[in-house]
Amino acid sequence: GAGVSQSPSNKVTEKGKDVELRCDPISGHTALYWYRQSLGQGLEFLIYFQGNSAPDKSGLPSDRFSAERTGGSVSTLTIQRTQQEDSAVYLCASSFVRGGYTGELFFGEGSRLTVL
Amino acid sequence: GIQVEQSPPDLILQEGANSTLRCNFSDSVNNLQWFHQNPWGQLINLFYIPSGTKQNGRLSATTVATERYSLLYISSSQTTDSGVYFCAVEGGAQKLVFGQGTRLTINP
Repeated sequence: GAGVSQSPSNKVTEKGKDVELRCDPISGHTALYWYRQSLGQGLEFLIYFQGNSAPDKSGLPSDRFSAERTGGSVSTLTIQRTQQEDSAVYLCASSFVRGGYTGELFFGEGSRLTVL
Repeated sequence: GIQVEQSPPDLILQEGANSTLRCNFSDSVNNLQWFHQNPWGQLINLFYIPSGTKQNGRLSATTVATERYSLLYISSSQTTDSGVYFCAVEGGAQKLVFGQGTRLTINP
């Protein structure tokens, strides 16, 4: 597609349920990031995929969070046993790689998660 | 890890004014980017600028990598410039880390 696509755009769930958030990056982009943004706050790094390298998972806040990227394209972020503090906007971004580093980063519109 | 500090945290200006936003970082970087988050939450890439100066219309940016800072200039501000401006840097850890942002409000 022309841009980074995320779904769902809004998700309301009950505490304890599992949720899956999907990201479809720009075609050909090998780098893919997930960030989390709580209301009025900055962007918190969650996980980074780059080509076939092992992902950098250092930002995942707990073992309830996991992510995968299939075929070097679509990525899914899964949150198990959701808690109210998981409520936030989850942002996905993708880029080409320039000299081993992230190129111009393009963001999707985000998935707003509300845990009741 | 690398620390990113943006200043000022908040800035309120009248339409037509000029502004300078600053991004300081704690270590050498190979990548620096500026973003604008509009009031609806969409993040737009403004500049990819690990060093040097770039201009795009009323916006320009300068990164002095040896002194570990970058500046974003906005001239003749318009109400549509309102939002939050983020800088993000990538150093040895090879992941892009964001500052806390500068919230800019342009009043008509």
